[in-house]
This record gives sequence, C-alpha cells and structure tokens, in this order.
Amino acid sequence: GENVEQHPSTLSVQEGDSAVIKCTYSDSASNYFPWYKQELGKGPQLIIDIRSNVGEKKDQRIAVTLNKTAKHFSLHITETQPEDSAVYFCASLYGGSQGNLIFGKGTKLSVKP
Amino acid sequence: EAGVTQFPSHSVIEKGQTVTLRCDPISGHDNLYWYRRVMGKEIKFLLHFVKESKQDESGMPNNRFLAERTGGTYSTLKVQPAELEDSGVYFCASSQVGPSTDTQYFGPGTRLTVL
Repeated sequence: GENVEQHPSTLSVQEGDSAVIKCTYSDSASNYFPWYKQELGKGPQLIIDIRSNVGEKKDQRIAVTLNKTAKHFSLHITETQPEDSAVYFCASLYGGSQGNLIFGKGTKLSVKP
Repeated sequence: EAGVTQFPSHSVIEKGQTVTLRCDPISGHDNLYWYRRVMGKEIKFLLHFVKESKQDESGMPNNRFLAERTGGTYSTLKVQPAELEDSGVYFCASSQVGPSTDTQYFGPGTRLTVL
C-alpha cells in the first residue's frame, strides 16, 4: 500500500538552532501535504500545509518545501524555542481518496534551552 | 469557535467488552474522519463521513468496528467485542466541504486500553 517515510525519528537541537524533518511519499497522485505538531496529551495540531502546485511555503519560523519529482517534502523550523518541543507528523493525502491522510511515524523534537 | 471534541479521553476495558467512542466535530464541518494510532506505529485512517453517509471506510480493520453518524452531526465508533490489539489512541478529525476540504482538524483523541 501507499506509505510515507519520515526521518529522523528523534531530533535534539539547541535553542536557536534550526531543525529539519524530511518525508518521502509513494503515491504519485498525492497533491496535499500537511504537517502536524502533537504535544503531550493533545491531538495533532495543523501547523502548515502545502499543495503540489507550489514548491515552498513559509509561515514565520516554519517553512515547508516540496519536490514532486523526487516525492520529498521537508519541514524547516528556524530559531527553535523550547516550546517547539513536540512530536511532528508529516502526511500526504492519498490521491484516490477525499480525506484519507497517510501519516509518517513521527519525529520527536527536543529543543534544549 | 470550539474545536473537535472527543469523549471519553481514556477508556480501560477488558477483552470481550464493548466500548463506544464519541466525536463532536467543529460546528458546520460536514466531513468527519476517524483515525487510530496503535503504539509505536503510524496514525492510520479508519473512515470518512460526509454528513451522515460513509464516503470511505477502507481503513476499518474488521466487522467488530461500527461507526455511525446519525443526523450528520456527532459520530460514534463502537468496538464490539474488543480485542487486545484494539488498544491505541483513536482520533477524530473534521473539515469543511469546499476549497478547504483537505484541511483536517483533529480532536485530542481517546486512549483505549484493552486488558
């Protein structure tokens, strides 16, 4: 079946450094790629998303890049802060569906003060 | 605006018992989704409602799981009888119909433990 590979599974950075999380998807028909942040005891919260008609999208300290040819997309967080510590999930919308998000396994980001 | 709410937040039951999870989507969201995360694995799609109709139930694991959305508002997911492998966190999400239909907002989840 279709899947999304996410790396790394854990990431530790110093406050102020940048963090990058990478995902690869298999479904060529996917055209929507959201990123979710999950804090302890809470549900996944959408932080940014990108559609296949653009290569990059930015929102303050976070940005997402998409390479459709290589089927890669990445999350970039600059000037990390301790409150960025959480589990981050990438996902792709399964091309043959109207709502089936396929998720990566998640990246646990720790930002050390 | 209230977000997606789920009840209960935790449920501990014994194998063979029945459990019913409830999800209240964001008001006005006709799309409602159920997902599940089993320990150490990915969040996986279970099914998708548009109003009261099942649009896609390709992710439902077996016939012990029954999802309903009578009236097109809240939804329930019943597991009967529960098995050990059903343990995990069950998430509900909702989205609008229209240009933003892909943008899914998740609830806090229900953690189900089957002993």
